[in-house]
Amino acid sequence: DTEVTQTPKHLVMGMTNKKSLKCEQHMGHRAMYWYKQKAKKPPELMFVYSYEKLSINESVPSRFSPECPNSSLLNLHLHALQPEDSALYLCASSQDRVAGANVLTFGAGSRLTVL
Amino acid sequence: QKEVEQNSGPLSVPEGAIASLNCTYSDRGSQSFFWYRQYSGKSPELIMSIYSNGDKEDGRFTAQLNKASQYVSLLIRDSQPSDSATYLCAVKGGSYIPTFGRGTSLIVHP
Repeated sequence: DTEVTQTPKHLVMGMTNKKSLKCEQHMGHRAMYWYKQKAKKPPELMFVYSYEKLSINESVPSRFSPECPNSSLLNLHLHALQPEDSALYLCASSQDRVAGANVLTFGAGSRLTVL
Repeated sequence: QKEVEQNSGPLSVPEGAIASLNCTYSDRGSQSFFWYRQYSGKSPELIMSIYSNGDKEDGRFTAQLNKASQYVSLLIRDSQPSDSATYLCAVKGGSYIPTFGRGTSLIVHP
């Protein structure tokens, strides 16, 4: 079992829907991340939550909004998405150590299809 | 802008051969280097991490780091069809957030 749990694994939504992707980590990590990955492309960082501070990739449109209810959860709210937002959404967590390694542990991913 | 470069491939090797994957990076202050394996439609999983110059071996995998030349490589000995995947190089500099390369697709054919 992965220690980063993402739900749902698959999501199909229309452009007018509001949905959420959920991510929970059970490792006591201090940083959590959302990445977007299109086919045959590397993961693109969307948001980072670390030490109670949210960092946003400025290129991410406002139809994506993160929420961090506590240090173990990082949700991604989706509203008025476009078909080009269809992708694999990856959640990850890490110890968040600047000096030294910062190994990312990924969840299994949420495959999103926008119709 | 910090960049991590990888040949997208595909790299095709016969079963039992050595697969050599390469990665170069632009930030001389980079401290930590990672190789992730990603099967199609799945999430990345850590294969190797390396932090100092030289070689690090783990089973059939060897990571090689040369900070002076700013490259890191991954060797896979006795390649198996199950090694067929995309291999992502990730580099961490002063920020705690690693930068990913585009990945190299490896195909191991029987």
